[in-house]
Amino acid sequence: GAGVSQSPRYKVAKRGQDVALRCDPISGHVSLFWYQQALGQGPEFLTYFQNEAQLDKSGLPSDRFFAERPEGSVSTLKIQRTQQEDSAVYLCASSLGIAGGDTQYFGPGTRLTVL
Amino acid sequence: DAKTTQPPSMDCAEGRAANLPCNHSTISGNEYVYWYRQIHSQGPQYIIHGLKNNETNEMASLIITEDRKSSTLILPHATLRDTAVYYCIVWGRYGGSNYKLTFGKGTLLTVNP
Repeated sequence: GAGVSQSPRYKVAKRGQDVALRCDPISGHVSLFWYQQALGQGPEFLTYFQNEAQLDKSGLPSDRFFAERPEGSVSTLKIQRTQQEDSAVYLCASSLGIAGGDTQYFGPGTRLTVL
Repeated sequence: DAKTTQPPSMDCAEGRAANLPCNHSTISGNEYVYWYRQIHSQGPQYIIHGLKNNETNEMASLIITEDRKSSTLILPHATLRDTAVYYCIVWGRYGGSNYKLTFGKGTLLTVNP
């Protein structure tokens, strides 16, 4: 079946621009996660949604980062006024149940490069 | 912080078994051992998980020691496509904020022809 999809796969932004990254989770998955992966490092948690509710945004690095999941399926991660340190791969994952009780399945990621 | 220790890199000959070790000496009784891998330019791919019994699926086998302080992921017949970074993650699936996966740096497995 269809897995987690993300778009765009690659995004180049000039410093100061706003970007929006999209995640389509596996159909029916209640939980959705965003992770950030810097070059040469493992992914790091950003935020967690249970349906449309954002229950944890403790990993978002600054108030320039904003995530939403208004209808409990598709999610968008928005970064305002991008900075060079925002360059990374942004990964989305989804799981069937709530509160992380099930295996997380990852999408291919969006590689963001800020010039 | 990651609760696991893995060698930074390993090599394996194509067709041979790849045995990837992981130490997790501080694992709690309700924490699972999960393995993911990440092939270059792709997202992490789930491989297998276990609590205390050995597990096997179509991708790999997971051997967990009786004291649960270490485990080994076994790829029985490695192919070139198995070249990837392998992450061992200790994860308490239920309760609190345990939905966060904490990745370390993993092991870069290189399968050689």
